[in-house]
Amino acid sequence: DGGITQSPKYLFRKEGQNVTLSCEQNLNHDAMYWYRQDPGQGLRLIYYSQIVNDFQKGDIAEGYSVSREKKESFPLTVTSAQKNPTAFYLCASKDRSYGYTFGSGTRLTVV
Amino acid sequence: GQSLEQPSEVTAVEGAIVQINCTYQTSGFYGLSWYQQHDGGAPTFLSYNGLDGLEETGRFSSFLSRSDSYGYLLLQELQMKDSASYFCAVRVFLYGGATNKLIFGTGTLLAVQP
Repeated sequence: DGGITQSPKYLFRKEGQNVTLSCEQNLNHDAMYWYRQDPGQGLRLIYYSQIVNDFQKGDIAEGYSVSREKKESFPLTVTSAQKNPTAFYLCASKDRSYGYTFGSGTRLTVV
Repeated sequence: GQSLEQPSEVTAVEGAIVQINCTYQTSGFYGLSWYQQHDGGAPTFLSYNGLDGLEETGRFSSFLSRSDSYGYLLLQELQMKDSASYFCAVRVFLYGGATNKLIFGTGTLLAVQP
């Protein structure tokens, strides 16, 4: 079945550590997105990519980095510059239709 | 700025009808979408309105009035499994229309009671 796979489901980060969240899709979608969700809040856009080897900053890109070397993969790195990284991270992709397909998310906690 | 407003919580009983409103202030508006998210899960796409009027998909309907910057999601014949958070999201164009993104509201927590 086609879909988006995010891993790991839970991730713990120590202060000053970089961590990378994986996002893989087999939907053949061109566009991919990373969103952050805080408790009781909506989703805020971190980065997005319309095609391979191209990506753009979203509304809250500071402290994050991404790459898009393959159509299927859009990993997100949470760097030590992100001062409040504890959140639920959601990856999404989109084809020419109107709806986004989301992965099941990664819950990141700073310890 | 870009902002979307929706009620934080709504409670209804099984079998009832509930309406979740969404008002927005955005630039480059292209359409209004609705997503459902069960606790701790992935948001799932419910509906999209690009033009004014009502769109119906089974028990769910969505309405848009672009002149009023307003839309709503209507859920009929409520079931316990409908208890979830519902987000409205506006699709806006960027860079002269070359790309677009979704801006989400803060969500409405729907509690369906027996």
